[in-house]
Amino acid sequence: GQSLEQPSEVTAVEGAIVQINCTYQTSGFYGLSWYQQHDGGAPTFLSYNALDGLEETGRFSSFLSRSDSYGYLLLQELQMKDSASYFCAVLNTDKLIFGTGTRLQVFP
Amino acid sequence: DAGVTQSPTHLIKTRGQHVTLRCSPISGHKSVSWYQQVLGQGPQFIFQYYEKEERGRGNFPDRFSARQFPNYSSELNVNALLLGDSALYLCASSLPGQGFSWSEQFFGPGTRLTVL
Repeated sequence: GQSLEQPSEVTAVEGAIVQINCTYQTSGFYGLSWYQQHDGGAPTFLSYNALDGLEETGRFSSFLSRSDSYGYLLLQELQMKDSASYFCAVLNTDKLIFGTGTRLQVFP
Repeated sequence: DAGVTQSPTHLIKTRGQHVTLRCSPISGHKSVSWYQQVLGQGPQFIFQYYEKEERGRGNFPDRFSARQFPNYSSELNVNALLLGDSALYLCASSLPGQGFSWSEQFFGPGTRLTVL
């Protein structure tokens, strides 16, 4: 079977750093993506890791360890607008499989 | 440039009816994927089409079908609607090419389907 696990909710204050973990079990793994979705909005692409290591894009970074079937999204200098749901998604041979999502609440 | 567009935005149907949802991808994108998102959960993959051919299918019953047209727009059809089909249906397009392309999906605003 295929499964992805993420924490259901994370809270943090403005300016802080938060890490959202994702562990996965899947066949035909190509890479791990991260998407952000605000309430009532559509998912938007944040990052993609095909190889082990850290990818940095502005305040957001994403990490992948293929041997551990594990990745994380790191959000730095949190802002109120970062309050949203964050999904890890595994790309396998013919589809993108999403996790259940992590709801991030940022407090002032 | 216009993003992915979907129509209608909202739809209310009754059990047993059928529905057709429409999607227009970003210009130049030849792949369209459909997802079902139930409140509080992640999008669930339904279909992927590339160059008018089905390239992937998720674990959905045969009541769900789709097609892609020569202009790369797509339709999702659902027959014999059940209450459990109530969800947000998302369409996403992506660039043609290698595996990396499928990882960056550009989502439309979705169609909110309510089945009564």
